[in-house]
Amino acid sequence: KAGVTQTPRYLIKTRGQQVTLSCSPISGHRSVSWYQQTPGQGLQFLFEYFSETQRNKGNFPGRFSGRQFSNSRSEMNVSTLELGDSALYLCASTWTGGYGYTFGSGTRLTVV
Amino acid sequence: ELKVEQNPLFLSMQEGKNYTIYCNYSTTSDRLYWYRQDPGKSLESLFVLLSNGAVKQEGRLMASLDTKARLSTLHITAAVHDLSATYFCAVITEQGGSQGNLIFGKGTKLSVKP
Repeated sequence: KAGVTQTPRYLIKTRGQQVTLSCSPISGHRSVSWYQQTPGQGLQFLFEYFSETQRNKGNFPGRFSGRQFSNSRSEMNVSTLELGDSALYLCASTWTGGYGYTFGSGTRLTVV
Repeated sequence: ELKVEQNPLFLSMQEGKNYTIYCNYSTTSDRLYWYRQDPGKSLESLFVLLSNGAVKQEGRLMASLDTKARLSTLHITAAVHDLSATYFCAVITEQGGSQGNLIFGKGTKLSVKP
């Protein structure tokens, strides 16, 4: 059974650019959540999608957005990148009514 | 607002010793999770604790949950170097009665030395 797949694994972007990250959940999982991990702030929730609808949102500026497709794959987009957006971005998937969250390997974003 | 506090944040242990990591949370939650993270890697699920008094064990790690005290512990028995990692606890929020998101503690960086 394939796990949660995140692409790309590493990204280097320049301030002001935008970036799109992708997450393919475990087959059958319809919920995808995104988290940002930084040394200073730790692991923080960005948003959650379920059946193509954003169900839950964390406290991040509007530059952070996401979407989910009919096959449950999700993308998150960060526009007008800032140095502080450098982080490990993790997505997690879970199935409806399930308890376990399975995390992907993450995308390491560096903004220079 | 749900807050999760772990202590200690740093733990240096000798091989063969026992120790406990504590995780306190501020409001009622249905579930508590423990994850392990190796440097540069993702989060590996260790335990999901679903009810008061729940205890789960895997190898040298044992986790327990006291929902009345809002406290979970991760006990390490006879530590070995391979257990060196950062350990996170997380609780689930509720959103209008449905499943919310995970709120993580800051993590406990464990270093096991010979």
